Formats: sequence, C-alpha cells, structure tokens
Amino acid sequence: DAGVTQSPTHLIKTRGQQVTLRCSPKSGHDTVSWYQQALGQGPQFIFQYYEEEERQRGNFPDRFSGHQFPNYSSELNVNALLLGDSALYLCASSLVQGFGYGYTFGSGTRLTVV
Amino acid sequence: DQQVKQNSPSLSVQEGRISILNCDYTNSMFDYFLWYKKYPAEGPTFLISISSIKDKNEDGRFTVFLNKSAKHLSLHIVPSQPGDSAVYFCAASAGFGNEKLTFGTGTRLTIIP
Repeated sequence: DAGVTQSPTHLIKTRGQQVTLRCSPKSGHDTVSWYQQALGQGPQFIFQYYEEEERQRGNFPDRFSGHQFPNYSSELNVNALLLGDSALYLCASSLVQGFGYGYTFGSGTRLTVV
Repeated sequence: DQQVKQNSPSLSVQEGRISILNCDYTNSMFDYFLWYKKYPAEGPTFLISISSIKDKNEDGRFTVFLNKSAKHLSLHIVPSQPGDSAVYFCAASAGFGNEKLTFGTGTRLTIIP
C-alpha cells in the first residue's frame, strides 16, 4: 500500500525564482496538508486542502499557494523565493473525518534556496 | 511565540530503562495532543495521542500522560529499545476535527545498548 509520495526529493533554486512541489496522498485519503520544517525546528502548518479548496491556512505569506486536483493530489507553489524558504517541506494526507493519528506524512522535499 | 515547547533537545537512555520525554504548551484552546516519531530521511510517523478528557493513554510500551492544570504532557517508553532512537515531536490541536497541528521543536532520543 503506497503511502504519501512527494516529488522531487531534493531541489536547489535561486532567490527570486518560483518552485512547485508535488504530493500524492495515501490511497483512500481525501485531505492534504503541507508543513514547512526549518532546520532544528518542528514542522509548521502552511495550509490544508479538501475538495480542491483551501480549508485552513497557517501564518504564511501569500507567496505560498497551493492546489488540490480531483484525484486528491496536491501542489505547493512558492513565488519569489527567499533564502529563508530553505527547509524540508512535508506533505501529509488524511481523511477529513479523521484526526492527527490519521495523518500519513511523506518523506518530504528538501528545498535549498541559494 | 512557541505555543508547544520541548525543552530538552536531546536525551540518552540505557537500553531496557525508561525514557521520559516532556512537552509543555501555552495555548488553553489545545485539547488534543499527539506524539510523532521521526527517523532521518523519513516523514514523521504517528505514535500515540491523548484527548484532554483523559489524563493517561497507553499503547504497548508507550504511555502518554496529560496534566491539564500544568499544561504539561509526557511520553514514557518502557522498556527502551535501540529502535526507539529517533527524534520525537509533541504536537497539539484545538478542537476535534481541527487538523492544524502545532509542533514542538523535537527531542532527539538515543538509546544506548
């Protein structure tokens, strides 16, 4: 049973560029959440998507945007990259009726901004 | 403002002994708490959770205790095994169904054989 798949695993971008990260949720899951984990920190909630709409949003600027497709997969887009955007980006899927224990995390995309 | 705090960045415990990981929170709206375990190059995996209506929850070698008045929770692992070596994150949420999780900064647990 495939879990959450994220691509790419690693990425290097230049300041000011734009990046798109992709996530395929665990089979049967309908909700996708994105988290940013900076070095030495815990994951921070970016936003959550359900039924192709943003359901909740954390304290991140509008440069961070997302999308969910009819097959429940999701993309995270970051515009005008800053050095501080360098982090591990984690995707987590769940059932809308589920809760934290229902989260399945992917292994993440390591983004480095130079 | 760090609403969930794990004040011990690291902890070393002898194999077979008890490991105790601590977590404090400041937001009174939090009423559901979870522990996640993370190995290098992998995403966090769910370990155990507790609702604010309980003060203890057990699952095999893992027990979570919640002290609401002190806004403190702890994870006990007994007995500790080498495979338990990982980073442990405490997380909290406000309201059942509110799936936004606020994480602590993690504690790196090392089990010494």
